[in-house]
Amino acid sequence: DADVTQTPRNRITKTGKRIMLECSQTKGHDRMYWYRQDPGLGLRLIYYSFDVKDINKGEISDGYSVSRQAQAKFSLSLESAIPNQTALYFCATSDPTGGSYNEQFFGPGTRLTVL
Amino acid sequence: KQEVTQIPAALSVPEGENLVLNCSFTDSAIYNLQWFRQDPGKGLTSLLLIQSSQREQTSGRLNASLDKSSGRSTLYIAASQPGDSATYLCAVSGNTGKLIFGQGTTLQVKP
Repeated sequence: DADVTQTPRNRITKTGKRIMLECSQTKGHDRMYWYRQDPGLGLRLIYYSFDVKDINKGEISDGYSVSRQAQAKFSLSLESAIPNQTALYFCATSDPTGGSYNEQFFGPGTRLTVL
Repeated sequence: KQEVTQIPAALSVPEGENLVLNCSFTDSAIYNLQWFRQDPGKGLTSLLLIQSSQREQTSGRLNASLDKSSGRSTLYIAASQPGDSATYLCAVSGNTGKLIFGQGTTLQVKP
């Protein structure tokens, strides 16, 4: 089984709809991240969480919100989706302790299309 | 503000060639540097992580080097194979763990 899973894998929605992307991990990592990838712009950080009570905005958090339900679960919400939020979304986890040196591990991605 | 640049944006080589992918970053105060592989429409696979105190890391046919003072890293792929065709991404982080990515180099290895 994959260590970092994302659901759904593909989603098509309409402008104005609320949508939630979910991420689960079995790696036991405290740190979790949400990125989006756009052609020509690369990957950019949306939100990150160091533990259940520590959530921080990233580079491009406007229009997004997150919830860290447990150590293993980190959800990204689009309150009112707009077409320029069409992108590939990735969740990642890391462990800053020991010999891991905060190496990040990524999920398979969610392809979101907003019409 | 940290910026990461990867050159070239695309590269096509015949099978068996040794090749080098380049990554440069503007702020040398990094915690680590990671190289990833991404297949079309797929997720990112971590290839190598170099701590800021290290000069290089090796995994199989891959060797990554880091020169923090000059803000450069290279990924060397030996004896390239068609299965190596993918986009290779370089990313740097500070001690908060946030990654700043380059735009990637898309590699095609022709049989």
